[in-house]
Amino acid sequence: EAQVTQNPRYLITVTGKKLTVTCSQNMNHEYMSWYRQDPGLGLRQIYYSMNVEVTDKGDVPEGYKVSRKEKRNFPLILESPSPNQTSLYFCASGNNYGYTFGSGTRLTVV
Amino acid sequence: KQEVTQIPAALSVPEGENLVLNCSFTDSAIYNLQWFRQDPGKGLTSLLLIQSSQREQTSGRLNASLDKSSGRSTLYIAASQPGDSATYLCASFTSGTYKYIFGTGTRLKVLA
Repeated sequence: EAQVTQNPRYLITVTGKKLTVTCSQNMNHEYMSWYRQDPGLGLRQIYYSMNVEVTDKGDVPEGYKVSRKEKRNFPLILESPSPNQTSLYFCASGNNYGYTFGSGTRLTVV
Repeated sequence: KQEVTQIPAALSVPEGENLVLNCSFTDSAIYNLQWFRQDPGKGLTSLLLIQSSQREQTSGRLNASLDKSSGRSTLYIAASQPGDSATYLCASFTSGTYKYIFGTGTRLKVLA
């Protein structure tokens, strides 16, 4: 089944403790992206990747890092999480025919 | 910069009604437009994708149209059911930007 898999689904962490949210797709898509969704602000792009070793900032990249060492994986790294990064995060992969989204990761930073 | 607007923000209808959700975008140089459904606290499920060269797409009770010249897309839901209750999001993929720009969604409630 074609899908984008994110882990974990839920995460509660403390300020400053580094964390990684994993994202993997099995559709051989070159394009992958991370979004965060906040009430009243909608979905905003954090980072995207056009291919292996090619990444670029989206609209809200501050406080986040990404890497694309393999085509299928696109992890999101929070080096020093802060409470304002509490949000619902989505990974997506796609091509010219549309996006497929993961099920989301609900992150709470206390 | 592309802006995507969805009207209305919320909609409540009795079961069985046909309804139209609206999506407007400011930059007509879109590559495609995609409609998604999101249930509370859940991920985004793709409903329909319209390429820029197409005018509409249909899937079951859903029909989406695209008018690039006027910067509008509509999602038509026929014979609405309580299970259609969700938030509906449209997103445009503009040429050269490498990202989808999302509208803020229409929250639909279908009353039994």
